[in-house]
Amino acid sequence: EVQLVDSGGGLVQPGGSLRLSCVASGFTSSRFGVAWVRQAPGKGLEWVSSINVGDTYIQYADSVKGRFTISRDNAKNSLHLQMDSLRSEDTAVYYCARVVTDANNFWSGFDYWGQGTLVTVSS
Amino acid sequence: DIQLTQSPSFLSASVGDRVTITCRASQGINNYLAWYQQKPGQAPKLLIYAASTLQSGVPSRFSGSGSGTEFTLTISSLQPEDFATYYCQQLNDYPFTFGPGTKVDMK
Repeated sequence: EVQLVDSGGGLVQPGGSLRLSCVASGFTSSRFGVAWVRQAPGKGLEWVSSINVGDTYIQYADSVKGRFTISRDNAKNSLHLQMDSLRSEDTAVYYCARVVTDANNFWSGFDYWGQGTLVTVSS
Repeated sequence: DIQLTQSPSFLSASVGDRVTITCRASQGINNYLAWYQQKPGQAPKLLIYAASTLQSGVPSRFSGSGSGTEFTLTISSLQPEDFATYYCQQLNDYPFTFGPGTKVDMK
């Protein structure tokens, strides 16, 4: 059974750092594109970052560029999001998600999601 | 950035109703559009990808259509478990944007 388990969230002061983790099971995560998506309390979904197979193409939303870093640990079948210089507007539930591709191998959606981990940035 | 709008924002419906949600993109996105369902306290669930491909395990009452800038999600006969918020997402270009959501509530 394919499963993603998010962890690492918590309360952090503005300017602080957190490292989120997402452990995959039921599939080899290095063979799939993966992404982080966040949702502020009571708000909609916001794509944060993505990494492709081979880790050669990494993208970030402008709102987190230069502060967040996405990475993989293939030995542990896991994905990480290092979040530095956190701001109050980063407060959200963070989800990791697996990419599904179409017949032409283009990214077409996110088919499996973690349960989410809450990050609260507040003094 | 590609902007997505959804209409309606809120929809009141009854079990058995046919429901249609529209997602419009600010520029052409080919067919790189996905639809998700989200219930309170849960992660989003993929329903449709590549505009019209039904995700494995999703009931056939859900269908998607469209290309270019206008897309629709249709629920042919609304079931009690379908009351939720629905989001569209474009994956044609970075940043991958989501629509603002359509909440489907019970009439």
